[in-house]
Amino acid sequence: QQQVKQSPQSLIVQKGGISIINCAYENTAFDYFPWYQQFPGKGPALLIAIRPDVSEKKEGRFTISFNKSAKQFSLHIMDSQPGDSATYFCAASLFNDMRFGAGTRLTVKP
Amino acid sequence: GAVVSQHPSWVICKSGTSVKIECRSLDFQATTMFWYRQFPKQSLMLMATSNEGSKATYEQGVEKDKFLINHASLTLSTLTVTSAHPEDSSFYICSARDESGIYEQYFGPGTRLTVT
Repeated sequence: QQQVKQSPQSLIVQKGGISIINCAYENTAFDYFPWYQQFPGKGPALLIAIRPDVSEKKEGRFTISFNKSAKQFSLHIMDSQPGDSATYFCAASLFNDMRFGAGTRLTVKP
Repeated sequence: GAVVSQHPSWVICKSGTSVKIECRSLDFQATTMFWYRQFPKQSLMLMATSNEGSKATYEQGVEKDKFLINHASLTLSTLTVTSAHPEDSSFYICSARDESGIYEQYFGPGTRLTVT
């Protein structure tokens, strides 16, 4: 059972553009929604996270938008840079139960 | 920030042998640690949840006798792949949850296991 659906599977953006990755979850009990960035051969690194009592959170160029009623959340990367090229995973968590999306491979072209 | 280390970063072993992977939280205590497996270009698959001082909780379909997990202290969990076979070749990643009031999971750098 896929509890977190992530799209798109891959994304190509020009340098300076906005990258948008979307996720939808099923379990309304989830109470923590992180995004992870993973480079090839490395472990995922926590990028930004949000709790369901907040509709938006911004940290630098990264913004999470959260829509509780629609059970959707998204990651926006402003002014995308080639160094942002990586795989991004959304996740939804309830205590010890964290479910990951399938991942989005982002390529930022110079 | 919270740092999780893994050792070794890569290992090659022969079929039938056992391999131990260590996961350490370097600057925080982790009552709970998690072990994931990741195949190329795929998402992370939770294998088991490791609790300090108690038995690990395995996900459905994960053989507990093959993937032995020990969480002997608040900073160390180990995963032992017993009688390894080529199909066990994968990228194994651990994570640790900081118990100091926040819910973030911090991931280790991963261990690449190749079984020949």
